[in-house]
Amino acid sequence: QVQLQESGPGLVKPSQTLSLTCTVSGGSISSGAYYWSWIRQHPGEGLEWIGYIYYSGSTYYSPSLKSRLTISFNTSKNQFSLKLSSVTAADTAVYYCARSSLSRVIDYWGQGTQVTVSS
Amino acid sequence: IVLTQSPATLSLSPGERATLSCRASQSVGSYLAWYQQKPGQAPRLLIYDASNRATGIPARFSGSGSGTDFTLSISSLEPEDFAVYYCQQRSDWPTFGGGTKVEIK
Repeated sequence: QVQLQESGPGLVKPSQTLSLTCTVSGGSISSGAYYWSWIRQHPGEGLEWIGYIYYSGSTYYSPSLKSRLTISFNTSKNQFSLKLSSVTAADTAVYYCARSSLSRVIDYWGQGTQVTVSS
Repeated sequence: IVLTQSPATLSLSPGERATLSCRASQSVGSYLAWYQQKPGQAPRLLIYDASNRATGIPARFSGSGSGTDFTLSISSLEPEDFAVYYCQQRSDWPTFGGGTKVEIK
């Protein structure tokens, strides 16, 4: 059974960089059968797919966040990470890491982590 | 691609049939999935490619449609089905609809 767990600061100051890590257990992030994704949910709102990474290291970012976003692997720890720079209050959300098939259908999600941007 | 879900809220009683709609701003073919989300939980995949049930999903859930108009049906609501439902397209950059909340009447 694949499990994903997000970790990182729950509070980030405006203009700083939001950094989160997703630790994957029960499966290898080096599998070529999946994408590893970040998705966020603003308070009381719907879901937004931020970006994803393939085992080769290829990354795919939301057009609206592309200039501020970096997703990367730490294969030795079976983790992948998100960095979102120059954050504002609009980046306050629950952030989920997830696994999707190559057809971009999500089959496993982390439990989500609340990130608040505030001074 | 913008996905518009309707209604925003559906008030029904256990045992009733639920019909949820998802409309795309342009054709997504059959590249549409449905997820269920309960408070404080991550979403769960119900349906992929418009009409295929995910592993372990009960037969009371069914999906239909293609192009721009899609429907998720729950044939007879169980107490655990009261939740928010999202559609998601994968034809272009993946996007989600705004959700339909199915609440107990």
